Amino acid sequence: NAGVTQTPKFQVLKTGQSMTLQCAQDMNHNSMYWYRQDPGMGLRLIYYSASEGTTDKGEVPNGYNVSRLNKREFSLRLESAAPSQTSVYFCASSEALTHAETEFFGPGTRLTVL
Amino acid sequence: GESVGLHLPTLSVQEGDNSIINCAYSNSASDYFIWYKQESGKGPQFIIDIRSNMDKRQGQRVTVLLNKTVKHLSLQIAATQPGDSAVYFCAENMAGNTPLVFGKGTRLSVIA
Repeated sequence: NAGVTQTPKFQVLKTGQSMTLQCAQDMNHNSMYWYRQDPGMGLRLIYYSASEGTTDKGEVPNGYNVSRLNKREFSLRLESAAPSQTSVYFCASSEALTHAETEFFGPGTRLTVL
Repeated sequence: GESVGLHLPTLSVQEGDNSIINCAYSNSASDYFIWYKQESGKGPQFIIDIRSNMDKRQGQRVTVLLNKTVKHLSLQIAATQPGDSAVYFCAENMAGNTPLVFGKGTRLSVIA
């Protein structure tokens, strides 16, 4: 099992460019999450998907969109990147929202917006 | 402890000593708590959890203490090793269908 995989690992964008961060899990988990982590900060939830077919806003959703493509895949899209979106992005999955102990994180995508 | 801004609180300990990392959680309705370890360049990894009906739980070399009266959580690491150097986060979960909420983290630095 690969667990949670994220692509790309690194990305540099110019202000205004768009891109999609990909995430896939092979643990048959129902819930998936996107977080951002800024220097000296904890993880802040951007969006989550409690189950296939549903998505909900987290703490910091502005400037992002998500798609739960199927049970395995949950993508994060930046339509018009801004320097404030420079961060490390982590995808995670868990059996369910009520099974937080099973939450497993991917390796992260380091994004720089110039 | 918690902080705001760009700099994480840092705890430096000698190899072999015990470490205590503290966390003040925000919501008195939270009923489940997790400690995560994040090594440099990696995603967070689960260490230990505790439910609100307990005040102490022990794992291998780690102990979590919960004080609901003052909304305080601590992680104790026994005989700290260089491999324990990382950032440690607490996370809380309210009853019901809500995602985890993470604290800001504490950097543990082990001096050999």
